[in-house]
Amino acid sequence: GNSVTQMEGPVTLSEEAFLTINCTYTATGYPSLFWYVQYPGEGLQLLLKATKADDKGSNKGFEATYRKETTSFHLEKGSVQVSDSAVYFCALRGLDSSYKLIFGSGTRLLVRP
Amino acid sequence: KAGVTQTPRYLIKTRGQQVTLSCSPISGHRSVSWYQQTPGQGLQFLFEYFSETQRNKGNFPGRFSGRQFSNSRSEMNVSTLELGDSALYLCASSFPPGTSVGNEQFFGPGTRLTVL
Repeated sequence: GNSVTQMEGPVTLSEEAFLTINCTYTATGYPSLFWYVQYPGEGLQLLLKATKADDKGSNKGFEATYRKETTSFHLEKGSVQVSDSAVYFCALRGLDSSYKLIFGSGTRLLVRP
Repeated sequence: KAGVTQTPRYLIKTRGQQVTLSCSPISGHRSVSWYQQTPGQGLQFLFEYFSETQRNKGNFPGRFSGRQFSNSRSEMNVSTLELGDSALYLCASSFPPGTSVGNEQFFGPGTRLTVL
């Protein structure tokens, strides 16, 4: 079945450091891929998405490229801020017409001033 | 425009009781999905509704049920609560499947359920 694997956290960085959070998936065909972010005490916010191979999703300085050949969707940001501290979830949606999302385990990011 | 709202935000129940959680989707959204979030199991899909019909169901026992009303609002019910049902329950809404406005889901803040 479909699955998502994320790197274990927590990831601790200094402000302005480069961020990479790895995400790989297992699925048939070309699922849609998403990154969601969860701030303390809140629900999930969509950060970016990609719906086909080689698509690059981007938002608020974050980027991720849909790599079919490596079944990956790694999240990157060139310069993190303290306000980026949160938990990041990689997710996929399969090819059927359902909205069901399959999530990775989440990666906690802590950015220090 | 208003986001997804969930009520109540916090709930404390005891084992054996039942609970009903409510979700109001974003105006114009007709699909509603529910997820359970726990530290041990992470985010797991519960069910999905569109036009008052359950379209998909996750791997949860029959104690978990839901429904959707004609105004797209949704409720989920958990009967005979167990300690392991303590979790954050998230609701997400989206436009109907197959529409051209995008396929992302918008999440509410969640209901934190504690079972004692």
